[in-house]
Amino acid sequence: GAGVSQSPRYKVAKRGQDVALRCDPISGHVSLFWYQQALGQGPEFLTYFQNEAQLDKSGLPSDRFFAERPEGSVSTLKIQRTQQEDSAVYLCASTGQAGNIQYFGAGTRLSVL
Amino acid sequence: KNQVEQSPQSLIILEGKNCTLQCNYTVSPFSNLRWYKQDTGRGPVSLTIMTFSENTKSNGRYTATLDADTKQSSLHITASQLSDSASYICVVNKLSGNTPLVFGKGTRLSVIA
Repeated sequence: GAGVSQSPRYKVAKRGQDVALRCDPISGHVSLFWYQQALGQGPEFLTYFQNEAQLDKSGLPSDRFFAERPEGSVSTLKIQRTQQEDSAVYLCASTGQAGNIQYFGAGTRLSVL
Repeated sequence: KNQVEQSPQSLIILEGKNCTLQCNYTVSPFSNLRWYKQDTGRGPVSLTIMTFSENTKSNGRYTATLDADTKQSSLHITASQLSDSASYICVVNKLSGNTPLVFGKGTRLSVIA
């Protein structure tokens, strides 16, 4: 596709359930980022990949959060044993090798009940 | 304390009027500063990117200014349109390249007829 695609758009999970959020970056984009955006707040950095290598995961809030990008394109953000405080919009962004602009997907809105 | 502070938190203006949004940051060292527009339910879209040495950059009716000495930036919107209603987020890049961006909480702009 022409842009960054995220799925699902909405996810409702029961507390304690595991969830997996998918990001399809723009074709050929080397770098991929995950952000968490709480209601009324700006996005906060979670983790960053360059190709398949996870170069920075300093923003992941706990060891329940895990991200992977095994083939350097599609990425999955997994949250284990979800808690209510995990409720947020999870944004994915990608950037090309030469560019500095991050292109964002529409996000996945996660609601943990 | 957030490293990127934006004001006002929200703003309502009449269609056709101009407005200016403010961003103060403490992030250092500083590489570049970006303004993003985020429509409700969508990911942020880049409006401008300014490096340390740039003072102003325009994108249509949007003009961003940067004073790296005082660590202040502004986004001026001219002749506002209903479609300008969105959150405007100021983002500071700590270093060049793909290192984490520090996001402000955004200013929620509503343009009314």
